[in-house]
Amino acid sequence: DAGVTQSPTHLIKTRGQQVTLRCSPKSGHDTVSWYQQALGQGPQFIFQYYEEEERQRGNFPDRFSGHQFPNYSSELNVNALLLGDSALYLCASSLRGWNTEAFFGQGTRLTVV
Amino acid sequence: DAKTTQPPSMDCAEGRAANLPCNHSTISGNEYVYWYRQIHSQGPQYIIHGLKNNETNEMASLIITEDRKSSTLILPHATLRDTAVYYCGRRIIQGAQKLVFGQGTRLTINP
Repeated sequence: DAGVTQSPTHLIKTRGQQVTLRCSPKSGHDTVSWYQQALGQGPQFIFQYYEEEERQRGNFPDRFSGHQFPNYSSELNVNALLLGDSALYLCASSLRGWNTEAFFGQGTRLTVV
Repeated sequence: DAKTTQPPSMDCAEGRAANLPCNHSTISGNEYVYWYRQIHSQGPQYIIHGLKNNETNEMASLIITEDRKSSTLILPHATLRDTAVYYCGRRIIQGAQKLVFGQGTRLTINP
């Protein structure tokens, strides 16, 4: 049973470019959340997708957008990249409910130069 | 998250119990306490979670104070592989159920 998988594992982009990160949730999970983790910090919630809709958003600008597909996989898009967007981007999947575990993928390391 | 505080670092001898504290004095009644750990910037690994009762699984034990303002994660017999950054977090039961993490404790297990 595959866990949460993310691609790519590493990415280097130039300021002003756009990037798309991908996530496949753990089998049986229907909810995907995205987090940004800067070096030395805890993960920060970006947004969550359930039933192909964005359900809640953290304190991130509109340059960050996402999508969830019918098979529950998800994409995170970031436009007009800034140097400060360099971070580890984590995807977490869970089963909708009030007492469920959330499992994280290995993350995508994005470096903006 | 300023509402969840953890010591920045701790050391523990191999084979001893590691007790990691977390202060969440403003936790709401509908928020669970979650613990994760992260090794070498990999994705966080789920350890345990609880609401108000003590919990135990194959990895660790979680002790939550009666007023729920703090908790302690206990690794009963620490090994070198337990060296990692440990994150205490809160998770709201309803809605998006997002996880809100503290700054983490860097635990070093010494031989």
